[in-house]
Amino acid sequence: GAGVSQSPRYKVAKRGQDVALRCDPISGHVSLFWYQQALGQGPEFLTYFQNEAQLDKSGLPSDRFFAERPEGSVSTLKIQRTQQEDSAVYLCASSSGQGAHSNSPLHFGNGTRLTVT
Amino acid sequence: DAKTTQPTSMDCAEGRAANLPCNHSTISGNEYVYWYRQIHSQGPQYIIHGLKNNETNEMASLIITEDRKSSTLILPHATLRDTAVYYCIVRPRNNAGNMLTFGGGTRLMVKP
Repeated sequence: GAGVSQSPRYKVAKRGQDVALRCDPISGHVSLFWYQQALGQGPEFLTYFQNEAQLDKSGLPSDRFFAERPEGSVSTLKIQRTQQEDSAVYLCASSSGQGAHSNSPLHFGNGTRLTVT
Repeated sequence: DAKTTQPTSMDCAEGRAANLPCNHSTISGNEYVYWYRQIHSQGPQYIIHGLKNNETNEMASLIITEDRKSSTLILPHATLRDTAVYYCIVRPRNNAGNMLTFGGGTRLMVKP
């Protein structure tokens, strides 16, 4: 079946531009996560949705970062006024589980590589 | 949150078993051990997870010590395509969601 799909695969933005990154999770998955992965590092948590509710946004690095999932399916991560330090791979993951006691694995997309010049 | 410690890198000969260790000495009783791997330019891929008992699936085996303070991921017959970064993760228990906290992982190089 179809996995998690992310678009675009690559994005180049000039410093100061706004960008929008899209995530199509696995159909029916309740939980959706965004991660940021700098070169040579492990992924770092940004934010978590359960259906359309954003339950945890503790990992968002600044108020320039905004995520939404209005209908509980597709999600968009928006970065306003991009800076060079925003250059990274942005990964989306979905899971059929929900809540603190779920052990359902996360399924990741292949990410969007953002380069800010 | 329980933290994990893994070797930075390991080599393995093609066709041999790859044994990847992980220490998680502060793990709590209801925390699971997860293993993911990340092949270059791809997203992390789920491999296996366990709580107390050893687990096996079509990809790998997971051996967890009786005191749960360490575990080993075993790839029984490593191939070149198994070259990747392997992450051992203990899932936090006090979250609204079931997010994973990644460390640095082990870079496994399978050599011909």
